[in-house]
Amino acid sequence: EDQVTQSPEALRLQEGESSSLNCSYTVSGLRGLFWYRQDPGKGPEFLFTLYSAGEEKEKERLKATLTKKESFLHITAPKPEDSATYLCAVEGVGQGAQKLVFGQGTRLTINP
Amino acid sequence: EAQVTQNPRYLITVTGKKLTVTCSQNMNHEYMSWYRQDPGLGLRQIYYSMNVEVTDKGDVPEGYKVSRKEKRNFPLILESPSPNQTSLYFCASSLSPRGDTQYFGPGTRLTVL
Repeated sequence: EDQVTQSPEALRLQEGESSSLNCSYTVSGLRGLFWYRQDPGKGPEFLFTLYSAGEEKEKERLKATLTKKESFLHITAPKPEDSATYLCAVEGVGQGAQKLVFGQGTRLTINP
Repeated sequence: EAQVTQNPRYLITVTGKKLTVTCSQNMNHEYMSWYRQDPGLGLRQIYYSMNVEVTDKGDVPEGYKVSRKEKRNFPLILESPSPNQTSLYFCASSLSPRGDTQYFGPGTRLTVL
């Protein structure tokens, strides 16, 4: 069974203090790994898709990387508006039609 | 603007009163899906649809029905809602059924008394 574990559950940083969020996964053949941002009471907002180990993608202060067992979301010099819950999800080749298995998320708070 | 819309956004109802949550996408996506999000349990898939008239169960389908008569619409039906269906519901869509990014709607917060 595909599984996703995110750590830490919650992270509090000062504005400008860089850090990384971890997403460990087990999947029967990775079809894709997805990062989303979710604000309270709102729908997940797509950030990145990674397909193979070694792949990296960047967007503003965020950078996502992928290995065969985990993905990291690096946040550089964060601002208060980066505060949100970050969700990681995987889609495995054994799932048949597209099914995302989500982690529990990391709740990120950036203090000014 | 490319988007997934859901209605209503908020709903309070009573046990046993049938309700429908609508979902519509304007991106000509083949694949659509429903999720529920509960504290401590994360996002879990309820039903999905590969294309018009093709639907299948996800991880937590009990108590729900869906239909896909048109490509753009994928309503979620609760024929006899119960309190354990109180949750935050999200509709999502993607261009194709495998490997493509799913885009989520804004959510429907449902309370069943």
